[in-house]
Amino acid sequence: NAGVMQNPRHLVRRRGQEARLRCSPMKGHSHVYWYRQLPEEGLKFMVYLQKENIIDESGMPKERFSAEFPKEGPSILRIQQVVRGDSAAYFCASSHSDRGGKSGELFFGEGSRLTVL
Amino acid sequence: DAKTTQPNSMESNEEEPVHLPCNHSTISGTDYIHWYRQLPSQGPEYVIHGLTSNVNNRMASLAIAEDRKSSTLILHRATLRDAAVYYCILRDVNYGQNFVFGPGTRLSVLP
Repeated sequence: NAGVMQNPRHLVRRRGQEARLRCSPMKGHSHVYWYRQLPEEGLKFMVYLQKENIIDESGMPKERFSAEFPKEGPSILRIQQVVRGDSAAYFCASSHSDRGGKSGELFFGEGSRLTVL
Repeated sequence: DAKTTQPNSMESNEEEPVHLPCNHSTISGTDYIHWYRQLPSQGPEYVIHGLTSNVNNRMASLAIAEDRKSSTLILHRATLRDAAVYYCILRDVNYGQNFVFGPGTRLSVLP
């Protein structure tokens, strides 16, 4: 059973370009979470999605960032007009249900490391 | 989600037990205590979780204080591979919301 798959693992963009990060959750999981980790810092929540719905986007920057989780296909985190401050590791996690407190487990991918030149 | 407090860093010798503390004095009755760890250059991985009773699994043990205001993650025999940042997180069972990661404890294991 494949784990959470993220791609690309490494992405280099120049300022002003767009970055698209993809996340395929574990099989059977319909809940996806995106986190950002700046160098030498902790993980910061960005957005929580279920299929075709954004449940909580309280951690998303108001501009340039968007996320989707379509009925078919992976979840996409899109960053438009990237700036150097967007350089970070972006982690995706999935869970079987929103009652993570009982099941207790989020499954994380290996992350996508974005470098903005 | 209620806040947790952990030491910034700890050291342990290889093959010795490690006790990683976490304070959560504002925990509510429906908050589960979760532990995750993040190895260098990897995504976080689940370690253990519990509500009131102590818990054991193949990775670790979780000791929860009787008043639930603190807990301790116990690694019975530290290995070099256990060097990681350990996060203690509270999450309300009634909310389908995100896990809030604090700075965690950076564990160094000395050979």
